[in-house]
Amino acid sequence: DAGVIQSPRHEVTEMGQEVTLRCKPISGHNSLFWYRQTMMRGLELLIYFNNNVPIDDSGMPEDRFSAKMPNASFSTLKIQPSEPRDSAVYFCASIGQGGDEQFFGPGTRLTVL
Amino acid sequence: SQQGEEDPQALSIQEGENATMNCSYKTSINNLQWYRQNSGRGLVHLILIRSNEREKHSGRLRVTLDTSKKSSSLLITASRAADTASYFCATDYSSYKLIFGSGTRLLVRP
Repeated sequence: DAGVIQSPRHEVTEMGQEVTLRCKPISGHNSLFWYRQTMMRGLELLIYFNNNVPIDDSGMPEDRFSAKMPNASFSTLKIQPSEPRDSAVYFCASIGQGGDEQFFGPGTRLTVL
Repeated sequence: SQQGEEDPQALSIQEGENATMNCSYKTSINNLQWYRQNSGRGLVHLILIRSNEREKHSGRLRVTLDTSKKSSSLLITASRAADTASYFCATDYSSYKLIFGSGTRLLVRP
């Protein structure tokens, strides 16, 4: 199993640009999480999907952030327009039915200039 | 905030020594998990302890949980240079939501 796959691994963009981060969860996992990690705020849960349905998006910081999960094997996190304070490492994680352990992807390091 | 707090923030030890990290949290939990993060990588699950358990072992890892004090500790015995990483506790308050602590940065000197 390839584990959770995220792309791109690094993204550098200018303020105001749209950014799309992608995630492929582990096959068979039915829950997916997007996290953001910064030095100041640590690891924060942004949104949680279960069976492709957004269950909890209370961690999404602003309307500039949106996430979709069109099918069980793909999710996107979009920031439009991006701002310098969005610079962080964004992680995707997935979990299987009835499981407790979250499997994390390698993350996308986003830098907004 | 329901975030767990870890102590110490940073720990430097010699290879072969034991490393102990502590985690405190604020409200009742279903379980508590420990994760490791190597620099520039994602988090890796190490061990889970349920609220009705007091101690759990996995290889060189020993985790304790004291629900009356709302605290947990992670002990790594006979540390190795490869154990150098950040360690996070994560508390499970609901069926899915993990709240991560701020982490302990462990440096194991060869």
